[in-house]
Amino acid sequence: EAGVAQSPRYKIIEKRQSVAFWCNPISGHATLYWYQQILGQGPKLLIQFQNNGVVDDSQLPKDRFSAERLKGVDSTLKIQPAKLEDSAVYLCASSLTPGRSREKLFFGSGTQLSVL
Amino acid sequence: ILNVEQSPQSLHVQEGDSTNFTCSFPSSNFYALHWYRWETAKSPEALFVMTLNGDEKKKGRISATLNTKEGYSYLYIKGSQPEDSATYLCAFVGNQFYFGTGTSLTVIP
Repeated sequence: EAGVAQSPRYKIIEKRQSVAFWCNPISGHATLYWYQQILGQGPKLLIQFQNNGVVDDSQLPKDRFSAERLKGVDSTLKIQPAKLEDSAVYLCASSLTPGRSREKLFFGSGTQLSVL
Repeated sequence: ILNVEQSPQSLHVQEGDSTNFTCSFPSSNFYALHWYRWETAKSPEALFVMTLNGDEKKKGRISATLNTKEGYSYLYIKGSQPEDSATYLCAFVGNQFYFGTGTSLTVIP
């Protein structure tokens, strides 16, 4: 079974530039999550999709962050413009069952973003 | 914002030592508790999903217990090996997943 694919693995940009991350979840997984992990903190949910609809984006800074999941499969997370405090690891995860889950999450390898 | 705490923050042990970590979470609105292992340069990988008070799970040398009434879970590693070196994350599942900050384990050969 193929895992969750994420790209790029690393990205270095200047502040005020734009950046985009891509995620392809495991085939058939209805729920897709984007998490932000700042150094020294736990992963924080940015947005949760169920198929191609948004379930929770309450912690997404919508003035600069946007995300979409067209056709309910792969997803893109964009930051425009980036700030220094956006430096973090961005993790994509998927699960088979929608909503609160007693099933485990499957994670991608993450994107390490450095904003200079 | 819901608080999930993990302790210790980091741990260095000798190969062969046994060790344990703690995850503390709110005792209300509990749905599930997940443990993940995150090795450097790899994806976080699920170890256990625990749902019932008193649950005990085991996978090889790693085991976990759950107390939902007092709001804690313990993760135990028996006879630590260098390949156990990783960050161990717990996640409390209420209306969403709330992750702790992790325990970084280094096993010294």
